[in-house]
Amino acid sequence: DQQVKQNSPSLSVQEGRISILNCDYTNSMFDYFLWYKKYPAEGPTFLISISSIKDKNEDGRFTVFLNKSAKHLSLHIVPSQPGDSAVYFCAASDSNTGKLIFGQGTTLQVKP
Amino acid sequence: EAGVVQSPRYKIIEKKQPVAFWCNPISGHNTLYWYRQNLGQGPELLIRYENEEAVDDSQLPKDRFSAERLKGVDSTLKIQPAELGDSAVYLCASSLSWGITDTQYFGPGTRLTVL
Repeated sequence: DQQVKQNSPSLSVQEGRISILNCDYTNSMFDYFLWYKKYPAEGPTFLISISSIKDKNEDGRFTVFLNKSAKHLSLHIVPSQPGDSAVYFCAASDSNTGKLIFGQGTTLQVKP
Repeated sequence: EAGVVQSPRYKIIEKKQPVAFWCNPISGHNTLYWYRQNLGQGPELLIRYENEEAVDDSQLPKDRFSAERLKGVDSTLKIQPAELGDSAVYLCASSLSWGITDTQYFGPGTRLTVL
């Protein structure tokens, strides 16, 4: 039972363009969402988060959008840079358990 | 400030052998997590510690997996005996405390290959 799904295993974009990574979830109890970035041979690092009381959170080039009715969130990277090439994991948790449930990840490649 | 430290980084063993992974969390972090990441998947929680107490081990296969966090600082995860399906990356993470807004910081992981 995959509660958090990232249906696109990979994404390739040109440097300077927008990268959009998508994530869907099924558990309506989730009220906090995060994105982690992972480089090869390193652990995931926290990127950005959003609470369910918001629909948008921005941090520099990174913006996360949350659509609660559709149970969908997305990460926008503008402009994309070659250093953004990594695996991006979407994760969700609820206030009761606090447990992070991760998606399968999307590999982003930003071409120079 | 040092991040989460894990050792070894890589381990290759034959099935039925025992193996142990070590983790040292960020100084001052009370909460410690062990995750398993299978190929092509996201991390899955195995166990969570609050100080030295295991407060969520529902996903830990207790017939062969064990963990401890003596003195509430570093932690060891053990598998005995290992099976082929245990091949994965084992990640340790820590956070200041337990709460949905407490950022979890991950170590680089231990890649286990069981032959």
